[in-house]
Amino acid sequence: EAGVTQFPSHSVIEKGQTVTLRCDPISGHDNLYWYRRVMGKEIKFLLHFVKESKQDESGMPNNRFLAERTGGTYSTLKVQPAELEDSGVYFCASSPGTSGAAYIQYFGAGTRLSVL
Amino acid sequence: SQQGEEDPQALSIQEGENATMNCSYKTSINNLQWYRQNSGRGLVHLILIRSNEREKHSGRLRVTLDTSKKSSSLLITASRAADTASYFCATGIGGFKTIFGAGTRLFVKA
Repeated sequence: EAGVTQFPSHSVIEKGQTVTLRCDPISGHDNLYWYRRVMGKEIKFLLHFVKESKQDESGMPNNRFLAERTGGTYSTLKVQPAELEDSGVYFCASSPGTSGAAYIQYFGAGTRLSVL
Repeated sequence: SQQGEEDPQALSIQEGENATMNCSYKTSINNLQWYRQNSGRGLVHLILIRSNEREKHSGRLRVTLDTSKKSSSLLITASRAADTASYFCATGIGGFKTIFGAGTRLFVKA
């Protein structure tokens, strides 16, 4: 079984540019999460999808961030326009839809975003 | 303010010694989990303890939870060089939302 995959693994862009991060969850996982870790600090929750619906997007920093999950499969996180403070490692995680197992999240290796 | 904070931030021990990491949190929780992250990899789930449990074991891992003190500890016994990683506590606060801390960096010297 393939794990959670994220692409790209590393992105270097200039301030003002647009970047799109992609996450492919484990097949069949209804729950998909995005997190961000900045400079060794805590891993901050960004948002949670259940299938294609946004269940909780309370952690999204501002309207420069747009997450989608078309068809309830893979998800994209677009940052437009990127700012310096958006630099960090963006993690995606998924979990099954059933109540007990859903608490355990499976993480991708992350996308390291550097905004110059 | 952070929901989950690990202590210490970094820990260096000799192979064979025990490693203890602590986590404190602020709000009521449904469960608490510990994850491990090896450098450049994603987080890997280690153990989950529910709010009505006090202790849980898994192999060389022992987790305790004290809801009155809003704290948890992760003990790794007989540590190995391969245990070198960052360890994160994560609190389940409602629904499936999980709040992570900043992690403890553990270095086990061979």
